[in-house]
Amino acid sequence: NAGVMQNPRHLVRRRGQEARLRCSPMKGHSHVYWYRQLPEEGLKFMVYLQKENIIDESGMPKERFSAEFPKEGPSILRIQQVVRGDSAAYFCASSASANTYEQYFGPGTRLTVT
Amino acid sequence: DAKTTQPTSMDCAEGRAANLPCNHSTISGNEYVYWYRQIHSQGPQYIIHGLKNNETNEMASLIITEDRKSSTLILPHATLRDTAVYYCIVRVANSGTYKYIFGTGTRLKVLA
Repeated sequence: NAGVMQNPRHLVRRRGQEARLRCSPMKGHSHVYWYRQLPEEGLKFMVYLQKENIIDESGMPKERFSAEFPKEGPSILRIQQVVRGDSAAYFCASSASANTYEQYFGPGTRLTVT
Repeated sequence: DAKTTQPTSMDCAEGRAANLPCNHSTISGNEYVYWYRQIHSQGPQYIIHGLKNNETNEMASLIITEDRKSSTLILPHATLRDTAVYYCIVRVANSGTYKYIFGTGTRLKVLA
């Protein structure tokens, strides 16, 4: 049973470009969570999605960031017009249901903005 | 805003018990305490969780004080592979959904 998969593992973008980060949850999981980790800091919650729905986006920056989890395919975190401050590790996690006890994390995507 | 505070770093001798403390004085009655660890900037790995009672699994034990304002994660026989950042997390409930609020973590170094 494959775990949570994220790609790419490393992504380099110039300022002003767009970054697309993908997350495939564990098989059978329909709940996805995105977190951001700045260097030497803990993970910060960004957004929680269920298939085709955004449930909680209280941690998402108001501009340039969006997330989706379509009926088919992976969840996508999209960052438009990236700036140097967006450089971070982005982790996604999945769970089988909203109140299941454990979230399973992927290996992360390390975004570097030059 | 983090709901937990942890020491920044700790050392532990290999083979000894590692006791990692966490304060969560503002925790609400229905909020669980979770522990995850992160090795070499990989994705966090689940360790254990609890609400009121002490918990034990194959990896660790979790001791929660009676007033629930603090807890301690215990790794009974630390090995070099346990060197990692350990996060004490509060799972916050909001309108039927849940999210993790991570603290800044404790960097545990297990010494040979």
